[in-house]
Amino acid sequence: RKEVEQDPGPFNVPEGATVAFNCTYSNSASQSFFWYRQDCRKEPKLLMSVYSSGNEDGRFTAQLNRASQYISLLIRDSKLSDSATYLCVVKGGGFKTIFGAGTRLFVKA
Amino acid sequence: GAVVSQHPSWVICKSGTSVKIECRSLDFQATTMFWYRQFPKQSLMLMATSNEGSKATYEQGVEKDKFLINHASLTLSTLTVTSAHPEDSSFYICSAPPGTSGSNYNEQFFGPGTRLTVL
Repeated sequence: RKEVEQDPGPFNVPEGATVAFNCTYSNSASQSFFWYRQDCRKEPKLLMSVYSSGNEDGRFTAQLNRASQYISLLIRDSKLSDSATYLCVVKGGGFKTIFGAGTRLFVKA
Repeated sequence: GAVVSQHPSWVICKSGTSVKIECRSLDFQATTMFWYRQFPKQSLMLMATSNEGSKATYEQGVEKDKFLINHASLTLSTLTVTSAHPEDSSFYICSAPPGTSGSNYNEQFFGPGTRLTVL
C-alpha cells in the first residue's frame, strides 16, 4: 500500500463547477498535511496547509480527518487557471515528506 | 517566501556522461536539502536527503554511487548523476526547509527543477 494515495483523475470540469479531491495516508504518526499544486513541467508550490479544524482560503477548503487518515480539498467556482495537478503531501516527524501521485484537474470553458 | 534555485534548468547529454545539478538556497541557510525525481505523470519520489557536513541519506533503491550528493555549504547542495543512461532521464527537483536545526517548519521550498534528457 502506498503511503499517500490519491485518485489520479483526471477530473474534467466546466468553469464554475465545484470539485473535490480525496487523499488517504497510511502512517498514523504523520504530523503535518498539505496540498500542493504542480503545473506541467514546473516545481510544486504550496497551495495550503491542512488542519484538523478545517481551513479555507478563498475558493479552496481543506479538511483533515485524523481518525480516518483522510484529507480532502474542495475547489469552488473553478477557474480555467485552476487546471493543474494537485498533490497531497504528508509529513511525519523530522523532515521526511511523502507526496501523493497527484490528481490532475482540467477546467474547461 | 524563501527562494531555492537550481542550475541548470535543463540538460541534454550523451549516455555515459556525468551531469552535475546545483541546488542553492538564496536567502536562507539549509542544513538539510532534499533531492526528488519525478517521471512523467508520476509523483515526486524522494531520492536522498542531503546533510551539510555529513554524508547524504539515500532512500531504498537509490544507488549512492550513481547519484553522488555533496552538501558543501549551508546554501549549496549538488547532485551528480554519474554515467547517465536514458532511463535516468527525468525531472530532478531539490527542496530545502528553512532553518538550520531540526526545528518544526511547515513548508518546503522547491527549486524550479532540472529536466535531464539522456540520449
